[in-house]
Amino acid sequence: DTGVSQDPRHKITKRGQNVTFRCDPISEHNRLYWYRQTLGQGPEFLTYFQNEAQLEKSRLLSDRFSAERPKGSFSTLEIQRTEQGDSAMYLCASSPRRSMGQPGANVLTFGAGSRLTVL
Amino acid sequence: GQNIDQPTEMTATEGAIVQINCTYQTSGFNGLFWYQQHAGEAPTFLSYNVLDGLEEKGRFSSFLSRSKGYSYLLLKELQMKDSASYLCAVRLPRVGANNLFFGTGTRLTVIP
Repeated sequence: DTGVSQDPRHKITKRGQNVTFRCDPISEHNRLYWYRQTLGQGPEFLTYFQNEAQLEKSRLLSDRFSAERPKGSFSTLEIQRTEQGDSAMYLCASSPRRSMGQPGANVLTFGAGSRLTVL
Repeated sequence: GQNIDQPTEMTATEGAIVQINCTYQTSGFNGLFWYQQHAGEAPTFLSYNVLDGLEEKGRFSSFLSRSKGYSYLLLKELQMKDSASYLCAVRLPRVGANNLFFGTGTRLTVIP
C-alpha cells in the first residue's frame, strides 16, 4: 500500500468554476477525513466518513461543498462556484476502525493534499 | 470554542535540543498528537499522549500535563532535515469520530 493518494496535486481554476478532488485512502482504513489548510495555518476539519456514511460535517463546509464516498473506498470533494477564498490545500486523511500500533492512538494518515488556486 | 497556542517560529542549531510548547483550551480532551509537516508535503505522525507524562521515541519526546492543558515536543540532536512545521493537535471527544483540532503550527528552522 502506498498510503493515502490525492488527485490532482494542483488545480488552478477561475472563479465560478467547479472543481473536484479525489482521495484514495489506505485500503484497510474505513474512516476518511477531509481537512482544509491555508498558508501558515493548521489543518481545519471539514468532514468525516465511516465507510460510505458521512457522519460529521463542519460549519466550514458551505452548501457549495459536497463530499461523497459512494462505495466506502475512495472519496470525492466537489466545490461548486469556486470563490477566491476557497484557495487552500485540501488534505485527505484516513484511519483504521481499531487502533493500530500504540493502543488508543488511532492515528490519522494524511495524503499530500490537493492545492487549489482560484483566480 | 477551541484554542491551541504554539509559537509561530523557532530557530535552533544543528546538533542542539529544542522544545516546542503547546497549550490548549478545548471543550473536552481525548488525546494530543504531534505531527511534522515539511513544506508542500503531508503531515506525518510523530507522537501521541493521552496520559500525563513523557513519551520517548528516538530523538523525539513528547510531554503532556492535562491539568495544565500543556504539552511540549522535544527534539534532540537536531538535524537539518528536522526543519519543518510541527503541528500540535487535540482529539476532541466525538462518538465514532476521530477528528483532530490543530494549532497553527510552529515552523522550525535548523541552522548549521
